[in-house]
Amino acid sequence: AQTVTQSQPEMSVQEAETVTLSCTYDTSENNYYLFWYKQPPSRQMILVIRQEAYKQQNATENRFSVNFQKAAKSFSLKISDSQLGDTAMYFCAFNAQGGAQKLVFGQGTRLTINP
Amino acid sequence: DAMVIQNPRYQVTQFGKPVTLSCSQTLNHNVMYWYQQKSSQAPKLLFHYYDKDFNNEADTPDNFQSRRPNTSFCFLDIRSPGLGDAAMYLCATSTLRETQYFGPGTRLLVL
Repeated sequence: AQTVTQSQPEMSVQEAETVTLSCTYDTSENNYYLFWYKQPPSRQMILVIRQEAYKQQNATENRFSVNFQKAAKSFSLKISDSQLGDTAMYFCAFNAQGGAQKLVFGQGTRLTINP
Repeated sequence: DAMVIQNPRYQVTQFGKPVTLSCSQTLNHNVMYWYQQKSSQAPKLLFHYYDKDFNNEADTPDNFQSRRPNTSFCFLDIRSPGLGDAAMYLCATSTLRETQYFGPGTRLLVL
């Protein structure tokens, strides 16, 4: 069975700083997808970034980038120039390319950006 | 804009009184999911539809049922809500094995 672990329950940084959220996962699959989702307080869960396991290049979306280490089964999210609107719960998630349609989530990291 | 819509956003029901939550999508995705999310926890998958093919998670209580009358709509029925069923219910959609897109959720309160 696949598992996803986020070891940082809470993090807090000052506005404009860079912050890195950690995620590790365990799977025997070779082809899969990894995601970071953001869920602001009382608001909708939205996709931040997605990485296909077969791609060696790390995904980037504006201020958000990942460090994908397939051999180490690590998938960290870096947020550069953090903004107050980045305050949210961040979930790392895994989806195997084959098999069931199941998105396996980590426990989440609550990120607070302070002014 | 294409989107996932959930109604109502807030639902209050009484202990044991059946309740139905609604999800619709304009993305034309063939997979629809229902998740239960309790405070400060990760979403927990209840079941999903791949087209009309229903897939129940092994640990989803029998109290939870679902219907998908067409591609656009999916319903979550809670037959006899208990206090422990108070949660946020999230609907999501995707194409096969692709990114899931979430609706805003329905917060259920059981009195």
